[in-house]
Amino acid sequence: IQMTQSPSSLSASVGDRITITCQASRDVGNFLNWFQQRPGKPPKLLIYDASNLETGVPSRFSGSGSGTDFAFTISNLQPEDIATYYCQQFDNLPLTFGGGTKVEIK
Amino acid sequence: EVQLVESGGGLIPPGGSLRLSCAASGFTFGDYWMHWVRQAPGKGLMWVSRINTDGSSIAYADSVKGRFTISRDNAKNTLYLQMDTLRAEDTAVYYCVRPEEVTATLTLDNWGQGTLVSVSS
Repeated sequence: IQMTQSPSSLSASVGDRITITCQASRDVGNFLNWFQQRPGKPPKLLIYDASNLETGVPSRFSGSGSGTDFAFTISNLQPEDIATYYCQQFDNLPLTFGGGTKVEIK
Repeated sequence: EVQLVESGGGLIPPGGSLRLSCAASGFTFGDYWMHWVRQAPGKGLMWVSRINTDGSSIAYADSVKGRFTISRDNAKNTLYLQMDTLRAEDTAVYYCVRPEEVTATLTLDNWGQGTLVSVSS
């Protein structure tokens, strides 16, 4: 299953709302996760099952979608949100990731 | 607290072999399926392999099938990845990953810090 994520990078201001999209090449139901990866660190799970917020993750992060089309939103961008974000399907093997979206602050 | 500590990475020439280890602590290792995921420098994430609780069910990415072998020693709380016939494109940080739930098999919830494998002459 191919995961197409866009954009590959974006630059926004503190307080902005940003959205990243992820499209699966076939239906993955809601078996989709979103990860945050800061430089030099392992990925951190933020959203599981497409729309569920992992414990301890700020509520400004959210996810939506099902089937083949998914979205990830940061509603009030903060400086600490600078990172690369990945979607990942776990409907079937091989597990596959989107290409990543690098988020920067203007 | 779940801890996953990878080791065994290093610089290896093309065609060489390396064995990675992942020492697990803070949970009952033998109850969980485990995965390896890698990330080439400056690139995205790629799933490598998965093993079930007793090692009887194993899967690999096509790009490593026949060259890599995943295994585990539940008595030693350790996951392994034997990498043979290494290629330059295998250069990456290799992460050991555990699902959050015992009943989960394909989720990637808990990640180690990773170990860097560099394949170069």
